Amino acid sequence: QVQLQESGPGLVKPSQTLSLTCTVSGDSITSGSYYWTWIRQPAGKSLEWIGRMYTSGSTTYNHNLKSRVTISVDKSKNQFSLKWNSVTAADTAVYFCVRAVGGGGIFHDWGQGTVVVVSS
Amino acid sequence: DIQMTQSPSSLSASVGDTVAITCRASQNINTYLNWYQHKPGQAPKFLIYAASNLQTGVPSRFSGSGSGTDFTLTISNLQPEDSATYYCQENYDTLFFTFGGGTKVEIK
Repeated sequence: QVQLQESGPGLVKPSQTLSLTCTVSGDSITSGSYYWTWIRQPAGKSLEWIGRMYTSGSTTYNHNLKSRVTISVDKSKNQFSLKWNSVTAADTAVYFCVRAVGGGGIFHDWGQGTVVVVSS
Repeated sequence: DIQMTQSPSSLSASVGDTVAITCRASQNINTYLNWYQHKPGQAPKFLIYAASNLQTGVPSRFSGSGSGTDFTLTISNLQPEDSATYYCQENYDTLFFTFGGGTKVEIK
């Protein structure tokens, strides 16, 4: 059974770059037809889809966030990552990594999430 | 962008009750609608896909229905472990996905 675990700094200063990593265990990140996805949840708000990377390496991003976000994969470590430029307080949230299926729109397996606070 | 509206935002019910959560899409999404359960501090859990199909291992007291713009998640014979927040999510557009605002279910 696949497991996903997010890691990263709990605190980031405004205008800096947020970097998060998702370590995948129980399956190879290069196998199957999966979409390796990031979703976030600001405090008191609902879930927001950030973007995804397909097994082939192609990426798709939330068009409302597109220019600030990059998703990449490290096959040797079975990890995928999220980089978010120029963060603001509005980016304070719980960030989840997810394995998606069904064209990328069914969020099948989730990590527990990691809290990121943007503050000086 | 498609907007998803859930109601109620919260509800309280007793063990054994049947509860219904509704989700409305701002446009026709056919049956491209999924449901998730989220308990605090845990990974969200995938419950139902394509509006009415139960994910493997999900108890049969959970059921989903609807198509077009109106959908319902029903929990029959409510159990203490069903206390959680439930989210609907559309996957009509394969390049962008949105969630409902969530419904918090409390057990009296």
